[in-house]
Amino acid sequence: AQKITQTQPGMFVQEKEAVTLDCTYDTSDPSYGLFWYKQPSSGEMIFLIYQGSYDQQNATEGRYSLNFQKARKSANLVISASQLGDSAMYFCAMRESLTDSWGKLQFGAGTQVVVTP
Amino acid sequence: GAVVSQHPSWVICKSGTSVKIECRSLDFQATTMFWYRQFPKQSLMLMATSNEGSKATYEQGVEKDKFLINHASLTLSTLTVTSAHPEDSSFYICSAQIPQGVGELFFGEGSRLTVL
Repeated sequence: AQKITQTQPGMFVQEKEAVTLDCTYDTSDPSYGLFWYKQPSSGEMIFLIYQGSYDQQNATEGRYSLNFQKARKSANLVISASQLGDSAMYFCAMRESLTDSWGKLQFGAGTQVVVTP
Repeated sequence: GAVVSQHPSWVICKSGTSVKIECRSLDFQATTMFWYRQFPKQSLMLMATSNEGSKATYEQGVEKDKFLINHASLTLSTLTVTSAHPEDSSFYICSAQIPQGVGELFFGEGSRLTVL
């Protein structure tokens, strides 16, 4: 069964606008971590932000923030003030601490973001 | 700067040959590294967990005799694609965790393999 679901295959966003990338997850593990990665066309995976299942506050990292709604099992990424350099594929990932070995991440299908001038 | 380095970035080989990809952790020791595979326009799929000094743990459906993993030192893991065929053409990317942090994986630059 799909553990991480990203329903948006692609999105266009205008420069300086904010964009929200959806991510829902499925787990029965009470302890888990949620990650967002950015993959530009060059291929490298860039870590953006992390949210732990027990974290009380939503994670923020510069222009990135994570809208964590635990009851709904969603962990949407918000990118504020989009820049042309934000054009990339974005992946949501989860680590279930009880069932996965430390470090094993399960990735969603990804959302391609294109920022337009 | 990069904390995980991967080499080569791209390689083209003939069908039937073997290809080795190196993954190095920079400035830290990684007892565990992870090898992922990514087909075009698709997500990353974990292939195996590389354990320093012991056998790798392969995910279901991954042929361990096809994808040989060696983790001989605390800073180097290698993936060898043996007797490569065109269907092995893919983007292979390794990752490791730094000792500090929240458990996020840091990835190498990736290696694009094309088998002719």
